[in-house]
Amino acid sequence: GQQLNQSPQSMFIQEGEDVSMNCTSSSIFNTWLWYKQDPGEGPVLLIALYKAGELTSNGRLTAQFGTTRKDSFLNISASIPSDVGIYFCAGQKPGNTPLVFGKGTRLSVIA
Amino acid sequence: DAGVIQSPRHEVTEMGQEVTLRCKPISGHDYLFWYRQTMMRGLELLIYFNNNVPIDDSGMPEDRFSAKMPNASFSTLKIQPSEPRDSAVYFCASSATGNRNQPQHFGDGTRLSIL
Repeated sequence: GQQLNQSPQSMFIQEGEDVSMNCTSSSIFNTWLWYKQDPGEGPVLLIALYKAGELTSNGRLTAQFGTTRKDSFLNISASIPSDVGIYFCAGQKPGNTPLVFGKGTRLSVIA
Repeated sequence: DAGVIQSPRHEVTEMGQEVTLRCKPISGHDYLFWYRQTMMRGLELLIYFNNNVPIDDSGMPEDRFSAKMPNASFSTLKIQPSEPRDSAVYFCASSATGNRNQPQHFGDGTRLSIL
């Protein structure tokens, strides 16, 4: 099945640093979402984006819906140890359709 | 509020056995999705329902897999007979109808190991 290209695959950063990850697709989506998954748990929604160019924040997290509707990025500012986990992007077509996921970015934060 | 509830959380069984995974969606949600997560393929859709009716089962691997939603508050995913390559984490997610796409909320998954 179709998947999104998510990068980087993994990141090791120092506590306090900013983080950036992105997702690209060959097809257009009208909704982009970012989820975080902790070990042994399901993905938890962080941010949902609905309009091309939209920039949305959730605390230290900021995500943008690319103007071409084929990409999105997520920034985390001033990382803390609890940011550790796997971050997934997901694209969605109209009509509450199933999500198409990236392979995830594994974030490690060194205190 | 209760989230999506899946059971069991872990299942270990021998190949050839029947496996049944269960899901209770969030109350009021009319969409239910079954996804499978593996290291090789990531998160992929198996099947989804709207108002208890299967809409797209093109992700179901083969006839050994079946899913039902007998009512708005319960769904099952059955594998019979199970094979080692079915080992994965199976997630259920639900969402509600709205003016635009509504976010999908995930359960904590069932980690399935077929020996």
